[in-house]
Amino acid sequence: DQQVKQNSPSLSVQEGRISILNCDYTNSMFDYFLWYKKYPAEGPTFLISISSIKDKNEDGRFTVFLNKSAKHLSLHIVPSQPGDSAVYFCAASGAGNMLTFGGGTRLMVKP
Amino acid sequence: EADIYQTPRYLVIGTGKKITLECSQTMGHDKMYWYQQDPGMELHLIHYSYGVNSTEKGDLSSESTVSRIRTEHFPLTLESARPSHTSQYLCASSANTEAFFGQGTRLTVV
Repeated sequence: DQQVKQNSPSLSVQEGRISILNCDYTNSMFDYFLWYKKYPAEGPTFLISISSIKDKNEDGRFTVFLNKSAKHLSLHIVPSQPGDSAVYFCAASGAGNMLTFGGGTRLMVKP
Repeated sequence: EADIYQTPRYLVIGTGKKITLECSQTMGHDKMYWYQQDPGMELHLIHYSYGVNSTEKGDLSSESTVSRIRTEHFPLTLESARPSHTSQYLCASSANTEAFFGQGTRLTVV
């Protein structure tokens, strides 16, 4: 049973437009959420996170929104750049701080 | 800058061979993890450790084994490699919530 789901396996966006990546979770014990970016043949790198006590966290072009009642979070990238093309993983943690990852969304930003 | 290292980056090995994938971190993190990623993108946790002499199996069943004799070192061993073990193996460590990943080992068993 997948506790963290990314229902869109891929997303294509034009350069300069907004990219919105979505993530849903089922475990109400999760209290911290993270987004990672991964290029082929490399390890994931941390992008941005949000605690369950907040509903928004912003860092430059990246903003994460958390809707606890819907058990949904999203990552907004604006403006999107070709270098943002990668696979994005949503992750969640609760007691014990063990990370549970979603299946990933491949973002392609077209010039 | 995260300091977690995996060796080798790429490995092609014959069926039946014993292999050990190395993972070391210099951040003093107690928690360490091994994830497996197949070409279908999903990251699956196969092993984790809360500290020295602590090892647990993750969500995905794996024939590999791990050890944690030192805080900084968390090697993964396959006693007899098979083609079904072909995958990317990612090691990570964390102090609290954020995990730092190594660059991964791409293993191909022929």
